[in-house]
This record gives sequence, C-alpha cells and structure tokens, in this order.
Amino acid sequence: GNSVTQMEGPVTLSEEAFLTINCTYTATGYPSLFWYVQYPGEGLQLLLKATKADDKGSNKGFEATYRKETTSFHLEKGSVQVSDSAVYFCALSRNNAGNMLTFGGGTRLMVKP
Amino acid sequence: DGGITQSPKYLFRKEGQNVTLSCEQNLNHDAMYWYRQDPGQGLRLIYYSQIVNDFQKGDIAEGYSVSREKKESFPLTVTSAQKNPTAFYLCASSPAGFGQHTGELFFGEGSRLTVL
Repeated sequence: GNSVTQMEGPVTLSEEAFLTINCTYTATGYPSLFWYVQYPGEGLQLLLKATKADDKGSNKGFEATYRKETTSFHLEKGSVQVSDSAVYFCALSRNNAGNMLTFGGGTRLMVKP
Repeated sequence: DGGITQSPKYLFRKEGQNVTLSCEQNLNHDAMYWYRQDPGQGLRLIYYSQIVNDFQKGDIAEGYSVSREKKESFPLTVTSAQKNPTAFYLCASSPAGFGQHTGELFFGEGSRLTVL
C-alpha cells in the first residue's frame, strides 16, 4: 500500500539556520508528492508539490525534489525565520485523479530568534 | 472571501452522545473530505465525497457517518460507536475529476472534539 514516513520532531533551529525535513514514501506507480504546512490554530495549506521524477517544487524559499531512485521528497530551506514555525506534512496522491492524499505523521518545526 | 468554514471550533461531549460537526464551503468544489488528526499520526481519512448525494468510506470510517445533500455542505456525525473520538477534525474540499485536480486540498480551521 501507499505510505509516507517523515522524520519525527520537534525540530528546533535558530533563525537563519538551514532546514531539512526528511520524507520518504512507498507507493505503487508514480504518485504526485506534496508538502503541506499547518500554522498554529489553522488548517493545512499547500506549500509546494512535484508531479514527476526529478521535478523540484518551490515556494516561499522552501524546495523539495522528487527523487524516484531514493523514493524521497525532502523539504529544505536555506534560512529559516521565526514565522516558519509550524507543522509540516509530506503527502502523496494515491489515485489517478490526484485528489486522494496519504499524509505522513507531520514534523513540528520551532524556530527561535 | 471563498473558503471552508467549520463549526464549532471546540466541542465537548459526554460518552454515549452523538455529535455533528459542520463543514460548509463556498469554493464551488465538487469533492469534500473529512480527516482526523491525532498527535504524531498525521491525517487519516474518515469519509470523502466526490459529488453531491454520494460519499465513500475512507481509512477509518467506523463510528462515523456523513451526508452530502448539498454541494456546499458535508457534515460529519461522530457516533457513540466511535471508541476514541477525542481528536482534531479537519474538513477539506477540492475540484474533482481526472484532469481537474492539482492535488491541492483546501482545509478549514478544524474542530477539536473532547469526550469527557
């Protein structure tokens, strides 16, 4: 079946530090991959996505590259800000229509000034 | 503004009581979803609906029920049969149909249910 595994948090960084949150997946076929972010007290919102191997998704300084050979989609940011503190979810689509998502467990990021 | 509205934001329930969570969207989306979020477990799909008057069980449907009588509305009832109902519940919507979907779900702000 389909599954997504993320590194456990919390991840605590100082402002301007480099961020990596690991995500690996198991899936049949070639799913699309996503990162969603949940700020405190809010629902999830799409951060970035990639629909095929070697695609790089990017948004708000965050990047992730779809690596088929390692079945990974790690999230990176070169310099985090306090406002990036949130929970980050990796997800994959599990149907051809692309709207049925399987989510990872989420990784909490805390950025200190 | 277009979006998804969930209510109530916080709800307390005694054991043995049913409770209904509301979800309304004005995005004109065909598909709607209910997810349950527990600490460290991510989101798990309870029910989904791709079109009005039709819905399907997700991964953890036992103890829950839904209806989809209107395109805008997808209420979730947590019944007394749900063994561990204390959780954060998230409703989402999206366009449906092959070729229309981008993988982006639009989420509400959630409802936190606590069973006393």
